[in-house]
Amino acid sequence: SQQGEEDPQALSIQEGENATMNCSYKTSINNLQWYRQNSGRGLVHLILIRSNEREKHSGRLRVTLDTSKKSSSLLITASRAADTASYFCATGLSGSARQLTFGSGTQLTVLP
Amino acid sequence: DAGVTQSPTHLIKTRGQQVTLRCSPISGHKSVSWYQQVLGQGPQFIFQYYEKEERGRGNFPDRFSARQFPNYSSELNVNALLLGDSALYLCASKGQGASGSSDTQYFGPGTRLTVL
Repeated sequence: SQQGEEDPQALSIQEGENATMNCSYKTSINNLQWYRQNSGRGLVHLILIRSNEREKHSGRLRVTLDTSKKSSSLLITASRAADTASYFCATGLSGSARQLTFGSGTQLTVLP
Repeated sequence: DAGVTQSPTHLIKTRGQQVTLRCSPISGHKSVSWYQQVLGQGPQFIFQYYEKEERGRGNFPDRFSARQFPNYSSELNVNALLLGDSALYLCASKGQGASGSSDTQYFGPGTRLTVL
C-alpha cells in the first residue's frame, strides 16, 4: 500500500517559475526522501530530510518537513525544461527495516 | 564510482514462465533492495537483503524470491509469471558511501518486464 500521497498529481508550469509539490504520509517516520524519475527510468535521489529537521536546501531545491501535520513539500525554484519528470516522496519508517514506502508521484511538466 | 547496475534492461516473457533479474550494488554497499513499479504508480517494496540475509519482505506472493551473493550482488526471481507482473523492477543499494548518508538508497535504471 502507498504510505504517502503527492499533491498535485500533475503540475504544468512555465520555465523560470517555481514548482511546489506536497507529500502527506500516515505514520511516524525516521526520514523522508524525494526522488525524480524521467520517463519510467530509474529513480534519482534528490534530498533526504530527517524527522528532527524542518527544512533543507540543495541547489534549487528546498524541502520542508512538518511531522505534526505528517507532510512535506518540495520546492524547485527557477524551473527548467530539464526538470520535467515525475517526483516521488518516500518515507523511511521508524523501527522498520530499511525499506522505503513511496507515494504515487507528481508529474511535473516545465514548458519552455 | 559506478552506480547501481541492473540486467537485462528489457525482458519479454509469457504467462507461466520464470524470470531472473540481476543487480550489482554500488561498490562498498552491502544492502540491496528490490522494488516493483507498475505503470502510473510509485515503487512498491519487495525485498531487502543485507550481508546475504533477508531483512525485509513486502506484501508479495511466494512466487517472488531473491538472494544476495558474497559479492553483494543480488538476483530477483519470479515464478509462474502473471500478466500483472508486468512492471519496472528497480534495485536499490544502500551503504555508508562517500556520497551520502547510510539512509539514502541509490536506484539502478531498472528492468522493464513485459508478460504476454
